[in-house]
Amino acid sequence: GAGVSQSPRYKVAKRGQDVALRCDPISGHVSLFWYQQALGQGPEFLTYFQNEAQLDKSGLPSDRFFAERPEGSVSTLKIQRTQQEDSAVYLCASSLALREVQYFGPGTRLLVL
Amino acid sequence: SQQGEEDPQALSIQEGENATMNCSYKTSINNLQWYRQNSGRGLVHLILIRSNEREKHSGRLRVTLDTSKKSSSLLITASRAADTASYFCAATSFIQGAQKLVFGQGTRLTINP
Repeated sequence: GAGVSQSPRYKVAKRGQDVALRCDPISGHVSLFWYQQALGQGPEFLTYFQNEAQLDKSGLPSDRFFAERPEGSVSTLKIQRTQQEDSAVYLCASSLALREVQYFGPGTRLLVL
Repeated sequence: SQQGEEDPQALSIQEGENATMNCSYKTSINNLQWYRQNSGRGLVHLILIRSNEREKHSGRLRVTLDTSKKSSSLLITASRAADTASYFCAATSFIQGAQKLVFGQGTRLTINP
């Protein structure tokens, strides 16, 4: 079917606000990954899921970041009490299995003022 | 940061010329991948080279890998204006069964018509 989709594409938040970013992976893809991409940099790993299980969250920068994938499909990345340093593009990727090629969504560009 | 390095950071050439981008990484890898990112878009997978391979071709792309030097190069032959994008290498290792990607900082390639 269609590729990985993410929403919203752009989000402007005031410092201190909570935000929720959504990722719809490719249908049937077991693995789902979140990355953070600062301006002019390459993506950096945040966390990944196999089905609904979050197997690695070592890349989450602080306890303000929380990700879930309750039914093993759609995933949400939540950032509480946003700070200016959270401004970045948040990329979601999915793969058919853990060791397969990752397909990326278009990203959500978050700007915290 | 665990990111590798890519050079040059920016490259501008004339259409029809060849473009070469280099990548160095820090960790042991199972494979190395190259991705392309158009402005404001997600990453598109280009090519994967396994750690036991030294060279791989795909259309106008040629990738080399030197694991002793922890480096890789991407050559795009007969460049086209549509090749204008940022190119990222991703050092890949399998940790806890999952494919962990560590991206370089990217090379911004501009093809002048």
